[in-house]
Parts: sequence; C-alpha cells; structure tokens
Amino acid sequence: GENVEQHPSTLSVQEGDSAVIKCTYSDSASNYFPWYKQELGKRPQLIIDIRSNVGEKKDQRIAVTLNKTAKHFSLHITETQPEDSAVYFCAATPNYQLIWGAGTKLIIKP
Amino acid sequence: DSGVTQTPKHLITATGQRVTLRCSPRSGDLSVYWYQQSLDQGLQFLIQYYNGEERAKGNILERFSAQQFPDLHSELNLSSLELGDSALYFCASSVEGGRSYGYTFGSGTRLTVV
Repeated sequence: GENVEQHPSTLSVQEGDSAVIKCTYSDSASNYFPWYKQELGKRPQLIIDIRSNVGEKKDQRIAVTLNKTAKHFSLHITETQPEDSAVYFCAATPNYQLIWGAGTKLIIKP
Repeated sequence: DSGVTQTPKHLITATGQRVTLRCSPRSGDLSVYWYQQSLDQGLQFLIQYYNGEERAKGNILERFSAQQFPDLHSELNLSSLELGDSALYFCASSVEGGRSYGYTFGSGTRLTVV
C-alpha cells in the first residue's frame, strides 16, 4: 500500500523568509496530493492540492510542485507571516482514501 | 463552518465508560472518515464508511465501533474507555466519483478520560 514520508518534522523560519516542506510517496498509482494546514486545536483545512497530470500549482504565497519520476512533492510558502504558524500535513492517494504524512510544525520567528 | 458537523465539541468522562460521537457529513458527501489525534500527534485513521457500508479500517481498537446510517450521518462508539483514549476525534467527509478527492473535516470532539 501507499506510504508517505514528510520532512522536516519541525521547521523554524524568520518572518518574511520562505519555507519548504517535502513529502515522498511510494505508490506510483497515486494521483492526488493535497496539503492541509492545522492550527492549534482546530480542524485540518485544505490549502492547496495537485493532481498527477500537473507539475506545479500556485495560489498567492503558496505553491506545490510534483515530481512523479522521483515520487516526491513539496509545499512552498513565500514571504512567511505569523499566521502561517501551524502544522502542515501532506497526503497522497491512488484511490479515494488519503494516506497522510506525519506532519510538519512550522514556526515563524518574528 | 465547513459543513461537517460534529457533536459534542467536548466530552469529559471516566475510565471504563462508553461514549458516542456523532458526525453529519457535508451535503452531497457519501464518505465519512474517522480520525484520532492525540496531543502533538498526527492523524490516525480509524475507519471509513461509504454510503452506509464499511469501506476501510485503520488502527481501530476492538473497543471502538462505528456505523453510518441511511441519512449518512455516522456515529463512533468508544467503550471501556482508558486514559490513553483522551484525544481529539475528527470526522471528515468527501464526495467520491467527482474530480475532488479532498476531505472536509469537522471541528472535532475533544474527549478527556479521567
């Protein structure tokens, strides 16, 4: 079955700098890759997703890239702000069930 | 409001007791997923229902059970509760068959076992 590894587990960046979180997956049949943001004590919320027929997708300060050959995808956040502090989860799926990464705690230093 | 409704929001109960958590999926969504999230941990998949039928099982304890009713709402039953069962329990729903496979999460039920 699918296995998703996410790195790093904790990422601390200066406000205004960029942050990159990386995930690798094992099942080449996976075709959908969402990213969720979870603020402390709140529900995970979908922030961006990408399908296997696309290499990159952007939404304002957030972008996701996908390398199908290497089986990895990354979340890029530019010009980080205090409200970006949260736990970010990646996921992958070859069917309708999402397989989750372990999460990355992003800390934005003032 | 995500459209996925979970009740209750908070629950405090004693060890050995039984509780029922409820989830109403977003309108039009046929799948319901249950997750457990302990403090500072990831999302542990428990079980999935699709249109009333169990579709997938994760690391769900035998003390836990779930079902999805004809109106598509779901209940997660936790029995013989232990201190380690204290966690946030999330329900998520999704529509299958469409282009989006994304899940929409409810706000969760925070269970405290004392």
